[in-house]
Amino acid sequence: KAGVTQTPRYLIKTRGQQVTLSCSPISGHRSVSWYQQTPGQGLQFLFEYFSETQRNKGNFPGRFSGRQFSNSRSEMNVSTLELGDSALYLCASSLGDSGNQPQHFGDGTRLSIL
Amino acid sequence: AQKVTQAQTEISVVEKEDVTLDCVYETRDTTYYLFWYKQPPSGELVFLIRRNSFDEQNEISGRYSWNFQKSTSSFNFTITASQVVDSAVYFCALIPPLDTGRRALTFGSGTRLQVQP
Repeated sequence: KAGVTQTPRYLIKTRGQQVTLSCSPISGHRSVSWYQQTPGQGLQFLFEYFSETQRNKGNFPGRFSGRQFSNSRSEMNVSTLELGDSALYLCASSLGDSGNQPQHFGDGTRLSIL
Repeated sequence: AQKVTQAQTEISVVEKEDVTLDCVYETRDTTYYLFWYKQPPSGELVFLIRRNSFDEQNEISGRYSWNFQKSTSSFNFTITASQVVDSAVYFCALIPPLDTGRRALTFGSGTRLQVQP
């Protein structure tokens, strides 16, 4: 069974640009969550999508947005990039219909802002 | 508010030593779920174990064991006879039930384990 796939693995952007990250969940998983990992703040929750609807949202500015498609694939968009957005962005998928289901993570997209 | 504390920032052991990674949590929910994840240098978070708050049985899986104590809000992880391949950052995490509308993992800051040959 294929795991969670994130593309691209690495991205380099400059301040002010925007970026779109992609995540393909494990087959059959309907919940996709996004997390940001930085050395200073650790792992922080961005948002969760379930059946194409945003179900939960973390404390990030509106520049961070996402969506989920009918095949459960998800994209995350960050507009007007800032230096502080440099991070590892991790996507996780789960069945999503019960709280105790583990989230399975992808390899992440490492975003560097110059 | 939820909080997960991993007080040990970094631990270094020699191969075959036993090592325990500590995790203490805070939550207002009476039902919750605890997880341990491993993050090798490649970056992905690998799921290791899940524990429901109403199940205080300890669990052993090969060289790994977990000690959940609700009375002290702790969920500690022990690796027996450590190996170099165990070198990674280990995260403890907490998530509330689905019906709270707050279904997001709260992670500890992680413990970096280095196993020397």
